[in-house]
Amino acid sequence: AQRVTQPEKLLSVFKGAPVELKCNYSYSGSPELFWYVQYSRQRLQLLLRHISRESIKGFTADLNKGETSFHLKKPFAQEEDSAMYYCALNSGYALNFGKGTSLLVTP
Amino acid sequence: GAVVSQHPSWVICKSGTSVKIECRSLDFQATTMFWYRQFPKQSLMLMATSNEGSKATYEQGVEKDKFLINHASLTLSTLTVTSAHPEDSSFYICSATLGASRSDEQFFGPGTRLTVL
Repeated sequence: AQRVTQPEKLLSVFKGAPVELKCNYSYSGSPELFWYVQYSRQRLQLLLRHISRESIKGFTADLNKGETSFHLKKPFAQEEDSAMYYCALNSGYALNFGKGTSLLVTP
Repeated sequence: GAVVSQHPSWVICKSGTSVKIECRSLDFQATTMFWYRQFPKQSLMLMATSNEGSKATYEQGVEKDKFLINHASLTLSTLTVTSAHPEDSSFYICSATLGASRSDEQFFGPGTRLTVL
């Protein structure tokens, strides 16, 4: 069964602190994973995808097949990073979303 | 970038009535459109996948006769909630992809808030 787990509903960090949003998945095939972000009063938008191996807005995420994880990391959090973050697994024809983690960066 | 719009942005209706929600890709032709439902403080749940000119593929547990999906063109998909009841109140979100590859980015609409009285 395909499943995406985001264990933290809420994560609060101070500005400038490192942040890691956890995502674990279960999938029998070769996984394709994404991080989507939803800022306040805005629509959901793609942040990054694992196949691109890119850094967007200072965020990176590495696929760890051994640990079945795709954690999102940023070394120095900014207040504008406060948002809802969703990890998503492409099951072949659609996205399976985790329940999301609300990140709050306080000054 | 690719823009997806939804109309209306919010709607309030009486129990028993039907409500139609439109999803449009404004500056691109969408091979596939998806309909999601999101409850407060919960994740997006995929309801159905819609391809232009063919019947939608519904996820398990989603009533086809309750949630009618029509994908009449490459830029428009509609979701009709028939005989709506208060438990159908939710946030409905559509998304669209440019291509047919599983790697294609989904572009999301702003969502439609449905409240059934």
